[in-house]
Amino acid sequence: GENVEQHPSTLSVQEGDSAVIKCTYSDSASNYFPWYKQELGKRPQLIIDIRSNVGEKKDQRIAVTLNKTAKHFSLHITETQPEDSAVYFCAASGGANAGGTSYGKLTFGQGTILTVHP
Amino acid sequence: GAGVSQSPSNKVTEKGKDVELRCDPISGHTALYWYRQSLGQGLEFLIYFQGNSAPDKSGLPSDRFSAERTGGSVSTLTIQRTQQEDSAVYLCASSFAPVGYGYTFGSGTRLTVV
Repeated sequence: GENVEQHPSTLSVQEGDSAVIKCTYSDSASNYFPWYKQELGKRPQLIIDIRSNVGEKKDQRIAVTLNKTAKHFSLHITETQPEDSAVYFCAASGGANAGGTSYGKLTFGQGTILTVHP
Repeated sequence: GAGVSQSPSNKVTEKGKDVELRCDPISGHTALYWYRQSLGQGLEFLIYFQGNSAPDKSGLPSDRFSAERTGGSVSTLTIQRTQQEDSAVYLCASSFAPVGYGYTFGSGTRLTVV
């Protein structure tokens, strides 16, 4: 099945700096890569996603890049603010190689605790 | 409804008891997922329902865990003979289709086995 590795596990930055979180995946057939933000005690919420026919996507201060050849994708947050502090999870959807009903199931990375210091 | 609804929000149970956790997905979402999140940990896949297809149960940690989805809507996750290691937040999510759409998560059920 799919395996997703996420780095770093913790990331500490100063307000205004950029933050980058990286993930690699194993299933070359995976074609959907969302990122979730989870604030303390709350549910994970989708913040941005990218599909395999696109190399980069931006939404204000957040961007995601995808390298299909290397099977890795990254989240970039610019001009970080204290309210960006949270746990961030990357995920990849099971591609055709997963077979049967595993197709479409999201496999999550281990999470990155981002702390933005004022 | 407007979001994914889970109940109860908190459950404290004695070791050895059975528990049922409920998930009511967003209306029209055909896919429903259960994940488990232990304190400070990531999201562990448990089970996935897609339409009328047989569910993907590959993530269920033991035969004490089971889930069903009635009428393609509400789902119930049952844990029999609970153990302390079952303590976690159980998250349900739903989506429109199995591929290419992000999940919407519920607020979860925090299960504590004492």
